[in-house]
Amino acid sequence: GAVVSQHPSWVICKSGTSVKIECRSLDFQATTMFWYRQFPKQSLMLMATSNEGSKATYEQGVEKDKFLINHASLTLSTLTVTSAHPEDSSFYICSARDSIQGTEAFFGQGTRLTVV
Amino acid sequence: GDSVTQMEGPVTLSEEAFLTINCTYTATGYPSLFWYVQYPGEGLQLLLKATKADDKGSNKGFEATYRKETTSFHLEKGSVQVSDSAVYFCALSASNRDDKIIFGKGTRLHILP
Repeated sequence: GAVVSQHPSWVICKSGTSVKIECRSLDFQATTMFWYRQFPKQSLMLMATSNEGSKATYEQGVEKDKFLINHASLTLSTLTVTSAHPEDSSFYICSARDSIQGTEAFFGQGTRLTVV
Repeated sequence: GDSVTQMEGPVTLSEEAFLTINCTYTATGYPSLFWYVQYPGEGLQLLLKATKADDKGSNKGFEATYRKETTSFHLEKGSVQVSDSAVYFCALSASNRDDKIIFGKGTRLHILP
């Protein structure tokens, strides 16, 4: 299957700083990208959906000014957690889909964020 | 709205036992159905999929059949291995290709040697 690379795989940052997570589709054009958050032993919570070149659509309850999503190209989307706090510590996972080819989405390996 | 319901875990089995993880869905139209697997500390990997009624997805000994009449997509494996220990997510994607993927809550599977 297609490959989605997410970077970094883990990061520790100080409270109040911002962290950027990158999600790249390596061998296909990701017309749609999704960002999820996963709490320990729980399912994935969809945070936002982004289509290349347009603003992301955020799910209810997700602060768009807190979690900045940029999908500037067909192979790259970034999630920036601004002014991070300990409660933002979580596992963040991106997925990408070539909407022209089908409904299947491919997932990155996830980023574990720890805010201290 | 669309939703996915899967059996709660954890499920604990002995090696070589038969596995079934139930999954039912609610959706308008004809969604595509997926099973994803997540190994500890990793992202999700697509395990198998089915895009229309009566399709059977299969991979690594796992199978699931898209049953429109019962709105189900149960995951089965005839003989599990310790390496199958992971969390399994049932998911659907609406027929609209721009729509999001909706996940079930996940089922944690433990296989004992």
